Amino acid sequence: KQEVTQIPAALSVPEGENLVLNCSFTDSAIYNLQWFRQDPGKGLTSLLLIQSSQREQTSGRLNASLDKSSGRSTLYIAASQPGDSATYLCAVEEYGNKLVFGAGTILRVKS
Amino acid sequence: DTGVSQDPRHKITKRGQNVTFRCDPISEHNRLYWYRQTLGQGPEFLTYFQNEAQLEKSRLLSDRFSAERPKGSFSTLEIQRTEQGDSAMYLCASSLPGYTEAFFGQGTRLTVV
Repeated sequence: KQEVTQIPAALSVPEGENLVLNCSFTDSAIYNLQWFRQDPGKGLTSLLLIQSSQREQTSGRLNASLDKSSGRSTLYIAASQPGDSATYLCAVEEYGNKLVFGAGTILRVKS
Repeated sequence: DTGVSQDPRHKITKRGQNVTFRCDPISEHNRLYWYRQTLGQGPEFLTYFQNEAQLEKSRLLSDRFSAERPKGSFSTLEIQRTEQGDSAMYLCASSLPGYTEAFFGQGTRLTVV
């Protein structure tokens, strides 16, 4: 059974700092990995999708990498801002088109 | 608004009552998913439709839960005889065919009292 783990569970940083969120998964037979952002009480906003054949994806200040063989992904956020404060979730897509999520990293960026 | 739409956003119900939620996916997306999220956890897969066919159901989906997508467009999720343990955020997502990006709605927050 696929298990997704996100470290750290929570992170508090001063504005302007670069930071890295980690995601690991136990079964490397995935089709893609997706990073989401979730604001309190809201739905999920898709940030980046990395196909299993890709190594990384970039969008603005965000860069996500994928090492499928070792079961790891990282989300790098450059020059963090208070508006980046949210919960960040990673999810892997398995055969059958369902996403398996980690529990998330709660990020707080202090101004 | 061309995103995934869910209704209602919030629902408070008494234990034992039936509730129904609706999801309208992005119009060209033929795949639709339901997930459930409890506090402090990531979403958990419940069920998945391709067009009107329900292709997979999680063991989390007890016989009190039923989902439909009658014309391959919107979907409904019904919970019968609600229990306090059903209190959660119910999220709907949609995607194009293949292993493509999933887009989520704002969710329906269910509170069973």
